[in-house]
Amino acid sequence: AQSVTQLGSHVSVSEGALVLLRCNYSSSVPPYLFWYVQYPNQGLQLLLKYTSAATLVKGINGFEAEFKKSETSFHLTKPSAHMSDAAEYFCAVSDDTDKLIFGTGTRLQVFP
Amino acid sequence: EAGVAQSPRYKIIEKRQSVAFWCNPISGHATLYWYQQILGQGPKLLIQFQNNGVVDDSQLPKDRFSAERLKGVDSTLKIQPAKLEDSAVYLCASSLAGATNTEAFFGQGTRLTVV
Repeated sequence: AQSVTQLGSHVSVSEGALVLLRCNYSSSVPPYLFWYVQYPNQGLQLLLKYTSAATLVKGINGFEAEFKKSETSFHLTKPSAHMSDAAEYFCAVSDDTDKLIFGTGTRLQVFP
Repeated sequence: EAGVAQSPRYKIIEKRQSVAFWCNPISGHATLYWYQQILGQGPKLLIQFQNNGVVDDSQLPKDRFSAERLKGVDSTLKIQPAKLEDSAVYLCASSLAGATNTEAFFGQGTRLTVV
């Protein structure tokens, strides 16, 4: 069964610092991978997705993620954090029935 | 474009009572999902519809949970009777043709508290 593991339930960075949120996947076939963001009291919003077209995927709000098959990873990065990036971030994989399987989430805090 | 609408936003009930949630997906979206998000966890799929047919309900506790999608549009999720462990946010999502190839859009969710 496909799954994702997010390392670190909380990440804190200073404004302007690099953001790195980790995600590792477990899949027996080439996966489709996603990053979603959830702001307080909101639904989830798609940041970016990997569908095997390119290993470096650029998303909204300056985020990007790199698919590394050798490391089974799909880490999310942003060069410079903004206060507005504070939210919960979920990595997800889709299976052959088109449903999303989510990780446990990483809460990002950004300090001034 | 209107998003996925859910109601109510908040609900507090006593254990053993029943409750129903409503979801109106984006117009034209064939696939509809209900997820349960317990505090501190990622969303877990409860049921997936394709039009008005069920694709996957393997994780739906069918002794107490039920869901329907009449005419392939709106959907309701019901819990009867509720237990304390059902306290969670219930998220509805829809996509044009499955979350892999077309984006899944999420509603704001219904926060259920069972006391």
